[in-house]
Amino acid sequence: AQKITQTQPGMFVQEKEAVTLDCTYDTSDPSYGLFWYKQPSSGEMIFLIYQGSYDQQNATEGRYSLNFQKARKSANLVISASQLGDSAMYFCAMRAPTSGTYKYIFGTGTRLKVLA
Amino acid sequence: DAGVIQSPRHEVTEMGQEVTLRCKPISGHNSLFWYRQTMMRGLELLIYFNNNVPIDDSGMPEDRFSAKMPNASFSTLKIQPSEPRDSAVYFCASSRLAGGLSYEQYFGPGTRLTVT
Repeated sequence: AQKITQTQPGMFVQEKEAVTLDCTYDTSDPSYGLFWYKQPSSGEMIFLIYQGSYDQQNATEGRYSLNFQKARKSANLVISASQLGDSAMYFCAMRAPTSGTYKYIFGTGTRLKVLA
Repeated sequence: DAGVIQSPRHEVTEMGQEVTLRCKPISGHNSLFWYRQTMMRGLELLIYFNNNVPIDDSGMPEDRFSAKMPNASFSTLKIQPSEPRDSAVYFCASSRLAGGLSYEQYFGPGTRLTVT
């Protein structure tokens, strides 16, 4: 069965420091996509970054990078130089063509608090 | 380009009343998803459509919930009769399908439903 696991319910980080949010996944599909979303207190869901299962390099988008370790089935999000505006809930998600469907599986999220 | 549009943004209703939530996906997207988010249960996929056809409705809580997608630009989620435990934020999201695992979902702003 497909599953996304985020084991850190909450994290704190000092402003300007880097932080890693953990995500592990489970799927039997050889092809899959991994996503990270941010949900600030205002409630909207914002797409941050994508990593494909066959991508050779780790994805990066500005201050966001994805530490993809395929053998360990992990897709950790790294936020460099944290800002106060990074305080939010972060969700890891996976999309795989299981049984011909393409639905997204979400983790339970990690709440990040950036401290001034 | 307009993003995913949801209406209403807020809905307060009394137990037993019918509630209809509406969603307009991004033009050109052929997958549409309805999610429910609560503090207790997190983000739950209720149902999703590919090319206007319901593919997976296993997340629909019970027969009180129904969803339709009569065309590519409109979907509804109906709750009849509503109950206090249905209180949640309901998100609609859309994405491209076309075998594209890399296609991220775009979320609407959500409808905050309160059933008293």
